Amino acid sequence: DQQVKQNSPSLSVQEGRISILNCDYTNSMFDYFLWYKKYPAEGPTFLISISSIKDKNEDGRFTVFLNKSAKHLSLHIVPSQPGDSAVYFCAASAISYNTDKLIFGTGTRLQVFP
Amino acid sequence: NAGVTQTPKFQVLKTGQSMTLQCAQDMNHEYMSWYRQDPGMGLRLIHYSVGAGITDQGEVPNGYNVSRSTTEDFPLRLLSAAPSQTSVYFCASSYGDRGQLDEQYFGPGTRLTVT
Repeated sequence: DQQVKQNSPSLSVQEGRISILNCDYTNSMFDYFLWYKKYPAEGPTFLISISSIKDKNEDGRFTVFLNKSAKHLSLHIVPSQPGDSAVYFCAASAISYNTDKLIFGTGTRLQVFP
Repeated sequence: NAGVTQTPKFQVLKTGQSMTLQCAQDMNHEYMSWYRQDPGMGLRLIHYSVGAGITDQGEVPNGYNVSRSTTEDFPLRLLSAAPSQTSVYFCASSYGDRGQLDEQYFGPGTRLTVT
């Protein structure tokens, strides 16, 4: 049972436009979320995180939105650049329930074309 | 800083063979972990360590052993390789006291094939 789902395996966006990567979760106890991105032949790198006490967190071109009622989060990249082409993983945990277990989604491959 | 390094980058084993995947970090991080990544699945935690001399099991520990004799090194041992262990293995470390929940720094990965 996949508790963290990234239903779009891939996404293609033109340079300069907005990229929106989606992530859905089923466990209502999840209250902390992270995004990692991964280039081919490299390990994942941390991108941004959000706690459930917020509904938005922004870092430069990257913004994560959290909709707790829908159990949905999204990562917005504006404007998209060719260097953003990578696989993006979301991950979730239930901090308030004293667990450090982190559940990763299966990833979405983003391609940004000129 | 080299960050997190892993060796080897690629490895092919026969069923039943054993081997050790090496992981080292030069950031003085207390927390280190091993993950595997399989097609169609997210990263899954194999074992982790919160400091030298302390290790614990993650989500998928069967068939793997770890030890942590120093802060820098966290090797992963496959005791008797099986085709189900064909995967890409990532080592990671983090500086905070929240383990996986802090920003983790990942190594480049080891692609292992078991025939």
